[in-house]
Amino acid sequence: DTAVSQTPKYLVTQMGNDKSIKCEQNLGHDTMYWYKQDSKKFLKIMFSYNNKELIINETVPNRFSPKSPDKAHLNLHINSLELGDSAVYFCASSLGTGQGTTEAFFGQGTRLTVV
Amino acid sequence: AQSVTQLDSHVSVSEGTPVLLRCNYSSSYSPSLFWYVQHPNKGLQLLLKYTSAATLVKGINGFEAEFKKSETSFHLTKPSAHMSDAAEYFCVVSDRGFKTIFGAGTRLFVKA
Repeated sequence: DTAVSQTPKYLVTQMGNDKSIKCEQNLGHDTMYWYKQDSKKFLKIMFSYNNKELIINETVPNRFSPKSPDKAHLNLHINSLELGDSAVYFCASSLGTGQGTTEAFFGQGTRLTVV
Repeated sequence: AQSVTQLDSHVSVSEGTPVLLRCNYSSSYSPSLFWYVQHPNKGLQLLLKYTSAATLVKGINGFEAEFKKSETSFHLTKPSAHMSDAAEYFCVVSDRGFKTIFGAGTRLFVKA
């Protein structure tokens, strides 16, 4: 069973389109994240949700809107896609609750290519 | 504020020789520290973690790391490199679970 699953794995789309990436975790974790990995492999946190509440929003353009319908899901919607949005997006989850820290479990990533 | 610095962007070793990947951190809290590995076109896998227990942490695949508070370091080592260890390695610092900061990564090359 896949612990953190993202769909789609690959996404090629034209500039200006709107797209969504879905993420689900079956680990019972309270916290979920979205990370962006650029072409130089640098990973940067975008959002963090804890029990469906937004905890971290790291200077991300408002074209990016996360949505968490329940604590097992954190979807990422991107409006008006730009060339610079091309990257690999990773979803992750952890038990982190502010009282203790555990490791994050990552999905396999979604490679987004904007043409 | 937290930060993490991986001191080498690339490390090249011969198969069977030791591996050392260096990481320094700064944190306002007692940090949790992790090492993750990413093989080409794959997701990230946890190698090991430090969460204020033993300072020498053993992980998977023969890797270990030592937390040195005085040096604010958390270097990753392995006694003998294997070809399958070739990958990107990330040092990570976390504050109580809500925010994790990744280092820039170190690409490990293993020569036959």
